[in-house]
Amino acid sequence: DAGVIQSPRHEVTEMGQEVTLRCKPISGHNSLFWYRQTMMRGLELLIYFNNNVPIDDSGMPEDRFSAKMPNASFSTLKIQPSEPRDSAVYFCASSLGGLLYNEQFFGPGTRLTVL
Amino acid sequence: GENVEQHPSTLSVQEGDSAVIKCTYSDSASNYFPWYKQELGKGPQLIIDIRSNVGEKKDQRIAVTLNKTAKHFSLHITETQPEDSAVYFCAATGNQFYFGTGTSLTVIP
Repeated sequence: DAGVIQSPRHEVTEMGQEVTLRCKPISGHNSLFWYRQTMMRGLELLIYFNNNVPIDDSGMPEDRFSAKMPNASFSTLKIQPSEPRDSAVYFCASSLGGLLYNEQFFGPGTRLTVL
Repeated sequence: GENVEQHPSTLSVQEGDSAVIKCTYSDSASNYFPWYKQELGKGPQLIIDIRSNVGEKKDQRIAVTLNKTAKHFSLHITETQPEDSAVYFCAATGNQFYFGTGTSLTVIP
């Protein structure tokens, strides 16, 4: 199994540009999570999906952030417009089951730099 | 909401010694407590977890203890090795999922 796949691995963009991060969960997993990691705030859960349906998006910082999961094998996290304070490592994770009692498998992350 | 505090933020030990990382949580509804290890440039990886109906769990050199009354849980690594050097995160799950702030562990050969 290839594990959770994220693309791109690195993204450098200018303030105001749209950024789209992509994730392919492990086949057969029905829950998908988006996290943001910064030195200041640590690991933050942004949103998670169960069976392609958003369950909890209370961690999404503001309306500039949006996430979709059109099918069981693909999800996107979009930032529009991007700002320098969005610079962080964004992780996607998947699990078999929901939030409780289930190991989450993390992807390698996307390092986003907004200039 | 949940508040997970983790201590210490950095920890250095000599190879072969033990390392202990402690976490406290605030939400009494939390009932699942995983520990993740994150190596440089990689995503976190689960190393051990414990559920609220268990007080202690051990897996080779790694053990976790849980005190639900006091709302704290700890990670114990014995006979530390250089490859144990990483950042370790505790987490608590109830109605939400919160990570602790992380502990950077360095094992000195």
